[in-house]
Amino acid sequence: GAVVSQHPSRVICKSGTSVKIECRSLDFQATTMFWYRQFPKQSLMLMATSNEGSKATYEQGVEKDKFLINHASLTLSTLTVTSAHPEDSSFYICSARTGFQLYEQYFGPGTRLTVT
Amino acid sequence: AQSVTQLDSHVSVSEGTPVLLRCNYSSSYSPSLFWYVQHPNKGLQLLLKYTSAATLVKGINGFEAEFKKSETSFHLTKPSAHMSDAAEYFCVVSDRTNKLVFGAGTILRVKS
Repeated sequence: GAVVSQHPSRVICKSGTSVKIECRSLDFQATTMFWYRQFPKQSLMLMATSNEGSKATYEQGVEKDKFLINHASLTLSTLTVTSAHPEDSSFYICSARTGFQLYEQYFGPGTRLTVT
Repeated sequence: AQSVTQLDSHVSVSEGTPVLLRCNYSSSYSPSLFWYVQHPNKGLQLLLKYTSAATLVKGINGFEAEFKKSETSFHLTKPSAHMSDAAEYFCVVSDRTNKLVFGAGTILRVKS
């Protein structure tokens, strides 16, 4: 089946620094990728939708200048958390869509970000 | 706005006994509903989906769910739990823009 990887799986960074998370579709081309955030004991919240070659569409309340998303190729999207603060500590999950049906999303294993 | 409520944050069953994970949804139109499973250190995997066809939906690994409009429910069931079913399960609804809205999740524990 379709596989999506994320790197790194865990990252610890200091407050004020930036960190980049990669999301790759390993065996298929993804025209659309999604970035989600999951707080402890809470559900996944969609942060943004990323289409290859165009600007990401951010959900209401998500700071686009803080969470930079780049989808430069059909197999790679990146999320950069800029000037990270402890409140940005969370579990970030990406997914990739292969076709027109919404449920054809394949999820990565997630990245645990801790900002100290 | 669409939303889902998973009624149990944790469910514990013995191996070989039935599994019931409850989900209620809220939608102003006919929704598409999904169940996803997440095993530790693995990506979310689609278990099954309802997209306005048959109300009883069969998924992978022996799971099934029934769409009940009158009860606004989409409960997930399995006749006999296996140790490998231990994971976190998410009930999901799609909104008008086809974005996925997730429930809070139910952690299933299977005792031997």
